[in-house]
Amino acid sequence: NAGVMQNPRHLVRRRGQEARLRCSPVKGHSHVYWYRQLPEEGLKFMVYLQKENIIDESGMPKERFSAEFPKEGPSILRIQQVVRGDSAAYFCASSPGQGDNSPLHFGNGTRLTVT
Amino acid sequence: GENVEQHPSTLSVQEGDSAVIKCTYSDSASNYFPWYKQELGKGPQLIIDIRSNVGEKKDQRIAVTLNKTAKHFSLHITETQPEDSAVYFCAWGTDSWGKFQFGAGTQVVVTP
Repeated sequence: NAGVMQNPRHLVRRRGQEARLRCSPVKGHSHVYWYRQLPEEGLKFMVYLQKENIIDESGMPKERFSAEFPKEGPSILRIQQVVRGDSAAYFCASSPGQGDNSPLHFGNGTRLTVT
Repeated sequence: GENVEQHPSTLSVQEGDSAVIKCTYSDSASNYFPWYKQELGKGPQLIIDIRSNVGEKKDQRIAVTLNKTAKHFSLHITETQPEDSAVYFCAWGTDSWGKFQFGAGTQVVVTP
């Protein structure tokens, strides 16, 4: 069984460019979470999505960041006009639902470097 | 936001010895406490979790204890092996969904 797949693994962007990070959840999982990890820090929650719905985006910066999880295809985290402070590892996690039997499964992340 | 304090930030142990990592949280509403292991270049992997109605849980060489009164929980690794070397993160949340707060991590190095 394939786990959470994220691509690309590494992404280099110049300041001002756009970054698109993709996440394919575990097959059958309908809940997707995005987390950001700055160097030598823990993970910070960004957004929680279900198919075609944003459930909680309280951890997303108000500007330049957006996320979607369409009916078909992977979840996308989009960062417009990247700045150096956006350099981080971005992890996606999925779960089959909510409750006691829905642990999070993380992907291996996309490491974004802004030059 | 709510904080989770995690100590120590680095831990070096001899192979075969035990390792203990402690986390303190602030939100008394939390009822789910997972621990994740992150190896270099990979995503966090769940290694053990505990819920607030349980005081201790064990899975082979790893165990987690929870003290709800004091609001802290600990990870215990016994008979450490070199493959236990990694960064370990504690987290807390409610078990209804996956929005967690994470500790800053503990770099564990097991020396042969």
